[in-house]
Amino acid sequence: DAGVTQSPTHLIKTRGQQVTLRCSPKSGHDTVSWYQQALGQGPQFIFQYYEEEERQRGNFPDRFSGHQFPNYSSELNVNALLLGDSALYLCASSFDSLSSTGELFFGEGSRLTVL
Amino acid sequence: TQLLEQSPQFLSIQEGENLTVYCNSSSVFSSLQWYRQEPGEGPVLLVTVVTGGEVKKLKRLTFQFGDARKDSSLHITAAQTGDTGLYLCAGLLSGTYKYIFGTGTRLKVLA
Repeated sequence: DAGVTQSPTHLIKTRGQQVTLRCSPKSGHDTVSWYQQALGQGPQFIFQYYEEEERQRGNFPDRFSGHQFPNYSSELNVNALLLGDSALYLCASSFDSLSSTGELFFGEGSRLTVL
Repeated sequence: TQLLEQSPQFLSIQEGENLTVYCNSSSVFSSLQWYRQEPGEGPVLLVTVVTGGEVKKLKRLTFQFGDARKDSSLHITAAQTGDTGLYLCAGLLSGTYKYIFGTGTRLKVLA
């Protein structure tokens, strides 16, 4: 049973560029959440996708967008990269959180460095 | 602004000692989870608590959810070097799909 998989694991971009990160949820999960984790801090909620729609969003600018596909996999897009976007981006999958206890299963993350 | 504050932020103890990590908020949560994160990896779920006042024990770890579902604690008995890591609490805000993570407690257990 595959867990949550993310790609790429590491990437380096320059300011102003755009990046796309990918996530495949754990088998049986239908909900994908994205988090940004700066060094030494807890993860910050970016948004959550369910049934191919964004149903909850954290305090992140519109430069951060996403998508969920019919197979429940998801992408996180960040436009006009800033130095402050350098972080570990974590994908977490779950199953219809409001009707369950809401456990999140995380991937190993994508480490983004913006130069 | 919804915040989950953890304390202490850093903790360095000797093997065999006991410790408690606290997670506090002014927000009410539908459920609360504790995770442990190793360097270069994603957080791994340790436990979920749902009911106010709930206490769960997993071997040497005891988790408690506050009566008002706004706070939680993690107690480790007889810490081992393998307990070293970043401990994170995370709460699902009531009536939303939004998870709030705590600031984290970095634990180091010395042999």
